[in-house]
Amino acid sequence: EVQLLESGGGFVQPGGSLRLSCAASGFTFISYAMFWVRQAPGKGLEWVSSISAGDGSTYYADSVKGRFTISRDNSKSTLYLQMNTLRVEDTAIYYCVRESPSNRVGADYFDYWGQGTLVTVSS
Amino acid sequence: QSVLTQPPSVSGAPGQRVTISCTGSSSNIGAGYDVHWYQQVPGAAPKLLIYVNNNRPSGVPDRFSGSKSGTSASLAITGLQAEDEADYYCQSYDRSLRGSRVFGTGTRVTVL
Repeated sequence: EVQLLESGGGFVQPGGSLRLSCAASGFTFISYAMFWVRQAPGKGLEWVSSISAGDGSTYYADSVKGRFTISRDNSKSTLYLQMNTLRVEDTAIYYCVRESPSNRVGADYFDYWGQGTLVTVSS
Repeated sequence: QSVLTQPPSVSGAPGQRVTISCTGSSSNIGAGYDVHWYQQVPGAAPKLLIYVNNNRPSGVPDRFSGSKSGTSASLAITGLQAEDEADYYCQSYDRSLRGSRVFGTGTRVTVL
């Protein structure tokens, strides 16, 4: 059974840092691109960052570029999101998401989601 | 930051049919990229509902169906049930934002 278990969320003041982790199990972690998707309170879903399965290429939404860093440890089947210089608008539930691969660009979809971890940025 | 537009809400009585539109542009749906749909019950994580425009994962009732045409896509729910009350999001790929996956604005379905 595929499981994605996030941790590391919490309360932090503006300008602070947090590191989120996502422990994956039930599948061959190294073979899948992984994503972070967030949802601000009462709002919709927003893609935050992704890391590829092969060469570990990373991508970021403009809203977090230069502040957040995504990484993965395939030996531990764990995904990370280092969040620095946090802003009030980063307050959200952060979901760890697995993307089902496809041989066609744009055909990939999110087949498994974690339960999410809440990050609250406030003074 | 959503680039896919959905109606904020739709409603219907039990047993009725409702549809949710998802309007994109020439850089995402109109460029031929596939559309996927997710259901989010209040207080829970999103769940894959429809993938690659019109495919249902195992366990998803055939009351749910998807379609795509031009720069838009649609999700239809036939035989609406109380358990279908949730938020629904479309999602695609956008070639103007490298590596980006884009979501719809979300639609709340209310069962009257």
